[in-house]
Amino acid sequence: ELKVEQNPLFLSMQEGKNYTIYCNYSTTSDRLYWYRQDPGKSLESLFVLLSNGAVKQEGRLMASLDTKARLSTLHITAAVHDLSATYFCAGLGGGADGLTFGKGTHLIIQP
Amino acid sequence: EPEVTQTPSHQVTQMGQEVILRCVPISNHLYFYWYRQILGQKVEFLVSFYNNEISEKSEIFDDQFSVERPDGSNFTLKIRSTKLEDSAMYFCASTPGLEAFFGQGTRLTVV
Repeated sequence: ELKVEQNPLFLSMQEGKNYTIYCNYSTTSDRLYWYRQDPGKSLESLFVLLSNGAVKQEGRLMASLDTKARLSTLHITAAVHDLSATYFCAGLGGGADGLTFGKGTHLIIQP
Repeated sequence: EPEVTQTPSHQVTQMGQEVILRCVPISNHLYFYWYRQILGQKVEFLVSFYNNEISEKSEIFDDQFSVERPDGSNFTLKIRSTKLEDSAMYFCASTPGLEAFFGQGTRLTVV
């Protein structure tokens, strides 16, 4: 059974700073996803990572995958207030159809 | 841009009542899912549906729950006899195979 752990669960940072959210998973995962969720809203797909060494970037966000370490990271560069949200990583694996989500990282970026 | 639509956006029901949550997946997608998110917690997989039948269900998806695709466009989740602990946000998702797109969710409140 796939287990997904994120850390930190809560992060408060200032605009302009860089930070990284970590996502560890327990068994082989076929794919690793990152989602953003604003309060009371749905899940917005950010990245899908398929293979070891995959790196994807969109604006100030960059995601990477290390399948040997069973680790994905979401790096935020020069944070801006608009990036405040909860970020979830989710894995697909262990023969399951559905995504297994981490608990989410609640990110607050202070002006 | 095509999107997954869910109705209603908010439903309040009395304990023991039946509720039906509705979803219209993106038209050319083949796989459909229901997830739930209890307030402030992580997103949990309930059930996946493919080729007009359940593909996989989680431990949460017990006999109280059922899913149907009554016509070519709708995908429904029925909860037969609601309990207080069923209060959550329920998300429908669909995918053509790789990236899952989530609806806006139905907030179910059981009183």
